[in-house]
Amino acid sequence: EIVMTQSPATLSASPGERATLSCRASQSVSTKLAWYQQKPGQAPRLLFYGESSTATGIPARFSGSGSGTEFTLTITSLQSEDFAVYYCQQYNDWPLTFGGGTKVEIK
Amino acid sequence: QVQLVESGGGVVQPGRSLRLSCAASGFTFSNYGMYWVRQAPGKGLEWVTVISSDGSNKNYADSVKGRFTISRDNSKNTLYLQMNSLRADDTAVYYCAKGGCTSGNCYSNLWGQGTLVTVSS
Repeated sequence: EIVMTQSPATLSASPGERATLSCRASQSVSTKLAWYQQKPGQAPRLLFYGESSTATGIPARFSGSGSGTEFTLTITSLQSEDFAVYYCQQYNDWPLTFGGGTKVEIK
Repeated sequence: QVQLVESGGGVVQPGRSLRLSCAASGFTFSNYGMYWVRQAPGKGLEWVTVISSDGSNKNYADSVKGRFTISRDNSKNTLYLQMNSLRADDTAVYYCAKGGCTSGNCYSNLWGQGTLVTVSS
């Protein structure tokens, strides 16, 4: 099983700041990596997937990068609606696995 | 409207069974693999099972293998999860999710609102 490790577990930031979230895979997943956002009481929402694909309706301030075992989700200027938990997920191999999540909270 | 709507959750005693359903609308259901994903209270996300678009291929997490069965009825645009021999650690919100690809392992670009399954005596 491919283990996905996210860091930091919690990121405290202010609106307008840049946020950088990291995700590491225990073995290469090529570019088969997705990012999701989840707010309390809601289902996850796809943000970004593959080498360079932003999901439908996702603002341009969200971007993803990386390949192999190291990946990054960047939010260029945090808005109030961006404070949530973010998960990475590899889909290179079954079982599909998620990282433990990064909670982005208001500083 | 493009959506997935789960039903069938509830409180069940350990060792008993429950069947979840997921009604799909607004897209060609038979073209996509479908997933069940669960989230225990206050915890992260866990993939449970996947079924291919035509129902011929299925995979399960080790934690549910031999107890859970995924199926689909493409004529009814509905996904199912039969859960047998339920245990306390199966307590979670269960989401159905649509694969974003027409074949193979994939991300999920559409999720239902989730249905809560509580296993307790």
